[in-house]
Amino acid sequence: QVQLVESGGGVVQPGGSLRLSCVASGFTFSNYGMQWVRQAPGKGLEWVAFLRYDGKSKYYADSMKGRLTISRDNSRMTVYLQMNTLKPDDTAVYYCAKDLAPIIVTPAAIGHWGQGTLVTVSS
Amino acid sequence: QSVLTQPPSASGTPGQRVTISCSGSSSNVGTYTVNWYRQLPGTAPKLLMYSTTHRPSGVPDRFSGSKSGTSASLAISGLQSEDEADYYCAAWDDSLNGVLFGGGTKLTVL
Repeated sequence: QVQLVESGGGVVQPGGSLRLSCVASGFTFSNYGMQWVRQAPGKGLEWVAFLRYDGKSKYYADSMKGRLTISRDNSRMTVYLQMNTLKPDDTAVYYCAKDLAPIIVTPAAIGHWGQGTLVTVSS
Repeated sequence: QSVLTQPPSASGTPGQRVTISCSGSSSNVGTYTVNWYRQLPGTAPKLLMYSTTHRPSGVPDRFSGSKSGTSASLAISGLQSEDEADYYCAAWDDSLNGVLFGGGTKLTVL
């Protein structure tokens, strides 16, 4: 079955960087767009980024644009989220997510979610 | 502040029908399909409805989705205690070139 396992979260100082990873299994990774969604403590969901199945297009949330890079390695079935110049407001659980349907060119419904990795930005 | 507006809370008694609204604009709900997610406390969200009216396999037909103009709705009939959760709508927004989530609705089964 589909599994998405995130890693790379932790405590980082304001202005610091982190790279989150998400290892996928149970499906043909190279056929699916991947997304990141975050949830601050006690708050709602906020979409963060999308990367097309073939890596040819990316979309980012305005709140983090310019500070994020989403990438993927289809040979390793892994998607990454590089986050720079982190702020306390970026503290959240970051979920890796897989598009419901294959070969979609813009963010689609999310069919599967990982369990999330907690990023805490604090001095 | 979410551009997709949901009521922060909703409630009903077992067996009742409850509707959760999601109000947007022409750049999102008015033009694109809406997806709904359910999140139980301490767990990852789960897809409940996609492309406005389609249920993923395993979601009972007690759940239905609809849209009119710039507003979408999720209806739950035959309310059950296990339906108590947070519900989120989401849609693509072409002015932001990104996905918007609603602020979420906490459903309480009385």
